[in-house]
Amino acid sequence: DTEVTQTPKHLVMGMTNKKSLKCEQHMGHRAMYWYKQKAKKPPELMFVYSYEKLSINESVPSRFSPECPNSSLLNLHLHALQPEDSALYLCASSQNSGSYNSPLHFGNGTRLTVT
Amino acid sequence: AQRVTQPEKLLSVFKGAPVELKCNYSYSGSPELFWYVQYSRQRLQLLLRHISRESIKGFTADLNKGETSFHLKKPFAQEEDSAMYYCALVPSGTYKYIFGTGTRLKVLA
Repeated sequence: DTEVTQTPKHLVMGMTNKKSLKCEQHMGHRAMYWYKQKAKKPPELMFVYSYEKLSINESVPSRFSPECPNSSLLNLHLHALQPEDSALYLCASSQNSGSYNSPLHFGNGTRLTVT
Repeated sequence: AQRVTQPEKLLSVFKGAPVELKCNYSYSGSPELFWYVQYSRQRLQLLLRHISRESIKGFTADLNKGETSFHLKKPFAQEEDSAMYYCALVPSGTYKYIFGTGTRLKVLA
């Protein structure tokens, strides 16, 4: 399996809802990422997990809460979002390959709409 | 601060013409640089990386440290090359992939 799988593909939620985005990979990669992509913009890094530990948090608001239950899974818990949080949320993974960073493998993303 | 600049939002070329997608970076150390591509309705995927020095789908990219550039080139564009192309930089020892704003390449028949 050489893919990163994200569910759901689409999500519509109200500002008072709690929902979760899920990401899974079975390539043995030990780094996993959440990116946010607005229309016609590049992906923006949100979080990085390395060996299941949070390595980078790019000053993301606390209404986004990441979780890495094991080396294959990555979740993003959402609570009290704002309409401006509507975007495509991308998950990615990469090997932890020593001195050089290995390339990112992206999922297809979850299209989130906050109403 | 680290930055990646892709000056062209849109680049249109005719089939068979040469293509050059520009990427300039700002980073004081030794960067790792990548080109990613997103074809219509497909996920973002790696095209090539500077340490590999390989040609993928006819594309090459050379790191020019003097000009801080990593331009993507192809001698003869094909219609199937039409896609969104992102240049990305990773500062050494980090996981912080920094993407440029992207260039949409349209290859006209």
